[in-house]
Amino acid sequence: KAGVTQTPRYLIKTRGQQVTLSCSPISGHRSVSWYQQTPGQGLQFLFEYFSETQRNKGNFPGRFSGRQFSNSRSEMNVSTLELGDSALYLCASRVVGMAGELFFGEGSRLTVL
Amino acid sequence: EDKVVQSPLSLVVHEGDTVTLNCSYEVTNFRSLLWYKQEKKAPTFLFMLTSSGIEKKSGRLSSILDKKELSSILNITATQTGDSAIYLCARYTGTASKLTFGTGTRLQVTL
Repeated sequence: KAGVTQTPRYLIKTRGQQVTLSCSPISGHRSVSWYQQTPGQGLQFLFEYFSETQRNKGNFPGRFSGRQFSNSRSEMNVSTLELGDSALYLCASRVVGMAGELFFGEGSRLTVL
Repeated sequence: EDKVVQSPLSLVVHEGDTVTLNCSYEVTNFRSLLWYKQEKKAPTFLFMLTSSGIEKKSGRLSSILDKKELSSILNITATQTGDSAIYLCARYTGTASKLTFGTGTRLQVTL
């Protein structure tokens, strides 16, 4: 069974640009959540999608958005990039009903210059 | 504040040593506590603990929750170099996939 797949793995952007990250969950997992990991703040919850609907959102500005498609694949978008957005963005999927047990992808490493 | 605190922040041990990692959490809306191992990028699930207090074991790893002390420990016996990683604990309050993570304990196992 393939794991959670994230693309791209690495990317470099400049301030003010926008970025879109993609996540394909494990087959059969319908919930996808996104986390930001930085050295100072650790892993922080961004949002979760299930059945193409955002179910919960963390404390991030509106520049961070996401969506989910009918095949459960998800994208997240960050607009007007700031230097502080440099981070590892991790996507996780889970079986709905299996509370808390998340399966993470390898992440997308974003560097903002 | 929805906080999870891990200690120590980092430690270095010799292969064969036993280590104990600590995690404390706040009780509001607590449902379960989870432990993850992060070697390179993707955290991998280790254990989920609830207020039942039942110890979880997997090989050389074990973990238990103390609901009185609002804390959990992760024990690793007979450590190996492959145990070198960041160990994360996370609190789950029952809100979708929202986990509140601690900043982790970085474990390095040397020969």
